[in-house]
Amino acid sequence: AQTVTQSQPEMSVQEAETVTLSCTYDTSESDYYLFWYKQPPSRQMILVIRQEAYKQQNATENRFSVNFQKAAKSFSLKISDSQLGDAAMYFCAYRISSLGEDMRFGAGTRLTVKP
Amino acid sequence: KAGVTQTPRYLIKTRGQQVTLSCSPISGHRSVSWYQQTPGQGLQFLFEYFSETQRNKGNFPGRFSGRQFSNSRSEMNVSTLELGDSALYLCASSVGTGVIQPQHFGDGTRLSIL
Repeated sequence: AQTVTQSQPEMSVQEAETVTLSCTYDTSESDYYLFWYKQPPSRQMILVIRQEAYKQQNATENRFSVNFQKAAKSFSLKISDSQLGDAAMYFCAYRISSLGEDMRFGAGTRLTVKP
Repeated sequence: KAGVTQTPRYLIKTRGQQVTLSCSPISGHRSVSWYQQTPGQGLQFLFEYFSETQRNKGNFPGRFSGRQFSNSRSEMNVSTLELGDSALYLCASSVGTGVIQPQHFGDGTRLSIL
C-alpha cells in the first residue's frame, strides 16, 4: 500500500519562530509529486508548496521551504518567521503519475501559533 | 477569477436517503476530483473526471457515483446514505490531467447523516 505518514498530530510554535513539520511516504514509484496543503478553519485546502520528485533542489515559497530526502522518502515542511495566520491543519500529499489524479494524503498536523 | 464553488455548504440527511453535491470548477479547468474527509479516515480520494469521463476511482462502494457535464461542472451522488457517510466532501479542479497540475480546492460540503 502506498501511504503518507505525518507523525506529529499537533505542533506549536511561537510567533516569528521557525517550525518543521514531518512527512514520510511510501511508494515504489519513481515519478511523483509531493505537496503540502494548508487547511484553515475556513475548510478550504490551500496549496502551500510542491516538489517534483525528479528535482534534487528543495522547493521554496517565501517563508515556506521543504527538505526533500528522496532516498529516505522524507518530505518535511519548514515554516520560517511563523505568523498567526499560519495556524491551520497541514497535510502532506503525493500524486503518482501512473495513478492519474489520485492524490494520497497524510492524516495532517495541526499547527498552533502562539502570540 | 472565481474559485471552486461547492453547493450546498451544509446538508443534513437521514439514513437511506440519497444526496447530490455540486461542484463548479475554476473557469477553464477541465479536471475535477472529489475527496471525502473524515476525522477517522482523513482525506480519501473518491474519483476524478476529465472531459466528462471518469478517469480514476478510489476505493468506495458503488453507492458513490459522479458525473461531469460539458461545462466541466461536476456532481457527486451518494445513494442509500449510511451514518458513516457523514463527512466533509471536497472538490478540487485543475486545468488538465497530469500530476504537475496543481489542484484548487473548494470550501467543501459538510454532509451530516442522522
